[in-house]
Amino acid sequence: DIQMTQSPSSVSASVGDRVTITCRASQGISSWLAWYQQKPGKAPKLLIYAASSLQSGVPSRFSGSGSGTDFTLTISSLQPEDFATYYCQQANSYPITFGQGTRLEIK
Amino acid sequence: QVQLQESGPGLVKPSETLSLTCTVSGGSVSSGSYYWSWIRQPPGKGLEWIGYIYYSGSTNYNPSLKSRVTISVDTSKNQFSLKLSSVTAADTAVYYCARAYGTFDYWGQGTLVTVSS
Repeated sequence: DIQMTQSPSSVSASVGDRVTITCRASQGISSWLAWYQQKPGKAPKLLIYAASSLQSGVPSRFSGSGSGTDFTLTISSLQPEDFATYYCQQANSYPITFGQGTRLEIK
Repeated sequence: QVQLQESGPGLVKPSETLSLTCTVSGGSVSSGSYYWSWIRQPPGKGLEWIGYIYYSGSTNYNPSLKSRVTISVDTSKNQFSLKLSSVTAADTAVYYCARAYGTFDYWGQGTLVTVSS
């Protein structure tokens, strides 16, 4: 199985801050990576697919980059509604696997 | 707008079989472009992919659960289903159904299934 490791596990930030979350795959996955946002009691929401493509309807302050084994999700200017848990997911090979999650908290 | 809705018992006894159904609206499980998946999330923990089914009936399961999982599709009802046998407390989780093309773009709201006697 491909292991997905996110860092940090949690981060505190303020509205307006720029935040970067990292996801590392245990082996190369090309650009087969997605990012999701999950709020308490809700299903995950797709933000980014194919490592850097913005899902329709997602604000442009979210961006993704990377290929191979190292990927990043950047939120350029945090808004109050962005405080949530973020997961990466690889779709390169089965079984599909997710990172352990990064909790973004208000400072 | 595609919508998915999980349904099924919220409480299952240990050693019994968990059964859930996902009803799809606004789209068709017969679409050849997508795979129909189940994902679960234990309380306070991360996401685990369970498996998927294609409209043709072909399946792919997570090896960690493969011996206990069956996913089926009913194209006439636009539904797909999950069965997980011999459940234990470790199977207590929110179970989500989702549409996938590698990436999961539409999700159900999730249903909590508790395994307890």
